[in-house]
Amino acid sequence: QLQLQESGPGLVKPSETLSLTCTVSGGSISSSDYYWGWIRQPPGKGLEWIGRIYYSGSTSYNPSLKSRVTISVDTSKNQFSLRLNSVTAADTAVYYCARRKGGSYYLDYWGQGTLVTVSS
Amino acid sequence: QSALTQPPSASGSPGQSVTISCTGTSSDVGGYNYVSWYQQHPGKAPKLMIYEVSKRPSGVPDRFSGSKSGNTASLTVSGLQAEDEADYYCSSFAGSSNTVAFGGGTKLTVL
Repeated sequence: QLQLQESGPGLVKPSETLSLTCTVSGGSISSSDYYWGWIRQPPGKGLEWIGRIYYSGSTSYNPSLKSRVTISVDTSKNQFSLRLNSVTAADTAVYYCARRKGGSYYLDYWGQGTLVTVSS
Repeated sequence: QSALTQPPSASGSPGQSVTISCTGTSSDVGGYNYVSWYQQHPGKAPKLMIYEVSKRPSGVPDRFSGSKSGNTASLTVSGLQAEDEADYYCSSFAGSSNTVAFGGGTKLTVL
């Protein structure tokens, strides 16, 4: 059974960089059939797509976040990562990693999510 | 403001059917058969319930069904059960931005 697990600091100071890693187990991140994505959900609010990466390193980002976001992949560790710079309180959210089916746009496996709070 | 529009709430009694709408544009919902629906219980990660408008993943009860007409997609839950009470989110490929758009979510209450 595929599992995804987010990890990283739960508290980030304003103007600093948020960094999270998603570790994939029970399957290979190098599969040509899937993309790997990040989604966030501010407390009490809806879901927001952040971006995705293919095992080759190809990326696509939400235009509203593109200037601040970098997603990278480490196939040797079966992990992919998110960096969001210049954070503000508006970036406080539960951050999820998920698997997206190639050739389609649905997310079939999700991590449990990790809350990141931006505060001094 | 979310790219796709959903009603904030919906409700029904056990055994009844309820339909949740998701309205977009010809650049997303109306232009592609890439609408998916997710169920989210409090404190939990979203769970895929419907993909590509009307397909159900293995393990999802056939009480859940999806459809689309023009720029509006719909999720219907038949034979409502207490465990169906959750937030539901629609999603679609958005061709104009080459990204994924979500709806604002609908809280389904089983009366």
